[in-house]
Amino acid sequence: EDQVTQSPEALRLQEGESSSLNCSYTVSGLRGLFWYRQDPGKGPEFLFTLYSAGEEKEKERLKATLTKKESFLHITAPKPEDSATYLCAVQSGGGADGLTFGKGTHLIIQP
Amino acid sequence: NAGVMQNPRHLVRRRGQEARLRCSPMKGHSHVYWYRQLPEEGLKFMVYLQKENIIDESGMPKERFSAEFPKEGPSILRIQQVVRGDSAAYFCASSQGDVNQPQHFGDGTRLSIL
Repeated sequence: EDQVTQSPEALRLQEGESSSLNCSYTVSGLRGLFWYRQDPGKGPEFLFTLYSAGEEKEKERLKATLTKKESFLHITAPKPEDSATYLCAVQSGGGADGLTFGKGTHLIIQP
Repeated sequence: NAGVMQNPRHLVRRRGQEARLRCSPMKGHSHVYWYRQLPEEGLKFMVYLQKENIIDESGMPKERFSAEFPKEGPSILRIQQVVRGDSAAYFCASSQGDVNQPQHFGDGTRLSIL
């Protein structure tokens, strides 16, 4: 069974204070690892897809990296508008197309 | 360029009633997925459909829940004889269906059972 564990559960940073969110996974053949952002009362918003170890993707202040066991979402010089819950999900090669999600990291950026 | 549209956004039902949740995928997307998010839990996959076909329903409860994606019209998630434990946010996602294409989510339906 695919499993995704995200840490920390919650993180409070000062504006401009860089940090990283962790996503550890076990999966029977990784087809893709996905990062989403979710704001209160909204659906997850797609950020990145990573397919193989060593791959990196960047978008504004966010950078996602992937190893064989985990992924990191690095946030550089965050702003208050980056406050959200960040979700990690995997899609396995076992034939299932549904995503397996972690419980998310609730990120708060204080001005 | 409309995204995934779900309605209603909020739905209140009494125990024993039926709930119908609707999802219109993004333009050009033919693959639809339903997920459930319970309080303090992550999103859980329920069912994956293509037009007129259920591809994977491994996450769907065996009783009272059903889903369809007809040739014309939105995808429907139907819950019969609702119970308090069905209270949750239900999210629909769609994709183009090509290998490794991301799933794009709607803003969900919040179902409350009285």
